[in-house]
Amino acid sequence: GPKVLQIPSHQIIDMGQMVTLNCDPVSNHLYFYWYKQILGQQMEFLVNFYNGKVMEKSKLFKDQFSVERPDGSYFTLKIQPTALEDSAVYFCASSWTGGAEQFFGPGTRLTVL
Amino acid sequence: QQKVQQSPESLSVPEGGMASLNCTSSDRNFQYFWWYRQHSGEGPKALMSIFSDGDKKEGRFTAHLNKASLHVSLHIRDSQPSDSALYFCAASEHTGGADRLTFGKGTQLIIQP
Repeated sequence: GPKVLQIPSHQIIDMGQMVTLNCDPVSNHLYFYWYKQILGQQMEFLVNFYNGKVMEKSKLFKDQFSVERPDGSYFTLKIQPTALEDSAVYFCASSWTGGAEQFFGPGTRLTVL
Repeated sequence: QQKVQQSPESLSVPEGGMASLNCTSSDRNFQYFWWYRQHSGEGPKALMSIFSDGDKKEGRFTAHLNKASLHVSLHIRDSQPSDSALYFCAASEHTGGADRLTFGKGTQLIIQP
C-alpha cells in the first residue's frame, strides 16, 4: 500500500542546535501533517499544511518550529534552536483530501541532549 | 483532561477469541472517529473510520459508534497473532479543511497463541 517515508529514523542532537526532520509523503497526496509523541503519552497534533501554507497549528508548534515543502520535495519540520523538551518521536502523515485517511510514516526519534 | 480516552490500557485475548476495545470522547465537536493500529517499529495504520451511529463492519473488524454518549468501540473477532499491536482511537471535527486528529493513549492488544 501507499507508504510515507521519514528520514532519519533517529537523530541525536545537542540542545540549541538546529535539526531538520524529513518526510517523503505519498506521491499524489495534497495534505501534510506533523504529530509529536512523547514517551508514554498520546500522539499530539502539531501542524497541517496544504497548498504551500500552514492551515492550522497547535500550541505545541512553538515559534522555533517551521515547516515547508519546496517544489514537491520532502515535507520538512525544522526546529531552531532545539530544547530538551523537544525530545520525542515525530510522525509525519499525508492524505489525499482534508478528511481522508491519514497515512503515517514510521516516525523519527529525536533526542536532544 | 484528555479529550479522547481509551480502555483498557492493555488486553490479552486467546487466539481465535474476541477482542473488544473502547474509546470515549469528552468533546461533542468531534464528528469522525478512526481506529488506527501500530505494530512495533512502524507508523500507525488506519483500520477504519466511523461517523454514523451504529455498526460498521470490515472483515473481522466491527466498529460501533454511539454519538449520544460519544462512545466508540472496536471488536475483533477470530483474533490472530498478527493482530497483536497498539490500537489507537482518534477523533476529528471534520471541518472540511485538513483534519487534525486527536488521539487516545492506545490499547496494547496481545493475542496469545
